[in-house]
Amino acid sequence: QSALTQPASVSGSPGQSITISCTGTSSDVGGYNFVSWYQQHPDKAPKLMIYDVSNRPSGVSNRFSGSKSGSTASLTISGLQAEDEADYYCSSYTSSSTNVFGTGTKVTVL
Amino acid sequence: EVQLVESGGGVVRPGGSLRLSCAASGFTFDDYGMSWVRQAPGKGLEWVSGINWNGGSTGYADSVKGRFTISRDNAKNSLYLQMNSLRAEDTALYHCATTVNTDYYYGMDVWGQGTTVTVSS
Repeated sequence: QSALTQPASVSGSPGQSITISCTGTSSDVGGYNFVSWYQQHPDKAPKLMIYDVSNRPSGVSNRFSGSKSGSTASLTISGLQAEDEADYYCSSYTSSSTNVFGTGTKVTVL
Repeated sequence: EVQLVESGGGVVRPGGSLRLSCAASGFTFDDYGMSWVRQAPGKGLEWVSGINWNGGSTGYADSVKGRFTISRDNAKNSLYLQMNSLRAEDTALYHCATTVNTDYYYGMDVWGQGTTVTVSS
């Protein structure tokens, strides 16, 4: 159950778009559409931003979108805002009947 | 208000045991899967264990398999994590979370604030 691979950091200016990748294998990201994305601000509980690869929960801004190609999932934040500065984690179901999180990405708004 | 409140954390010696509880309110508890997720100080999220809506299906991370047991009591709207043979590396903030559907492999949309477990001699 190795953690999914995410870039350690991604940055962008306000109004720009950024994309965070989440790379796994055919036994997790590539094999199932149970990929989720979470936002975590310092000392706060995580917040679900995307589930089932591309579905947004009620109340989550449509600036957040998810996709998947092969064993790599992606989270795109468009129209970057200061409040988007946070840590982001992907997660996937695995063939071992477990879930696994990504290594996490720190998003900085310049 | 939809709410999850964890309890049962504390300081325990290596090899000891703890039982975490998670009290749910504001939603139909037995409609949803549940998970425990932990975060060591300064580290990332780690999925620990999950259980489906009726307790008939469970899963465990390799790091806790054989030591931790997840269970739920739908009559009490409660989730539990029995932790045995605790190790220093189990030290973390433990969150319970409910999923968007009946099983634990779905996205986790409601999170508690967590309870802290410290394993130290």
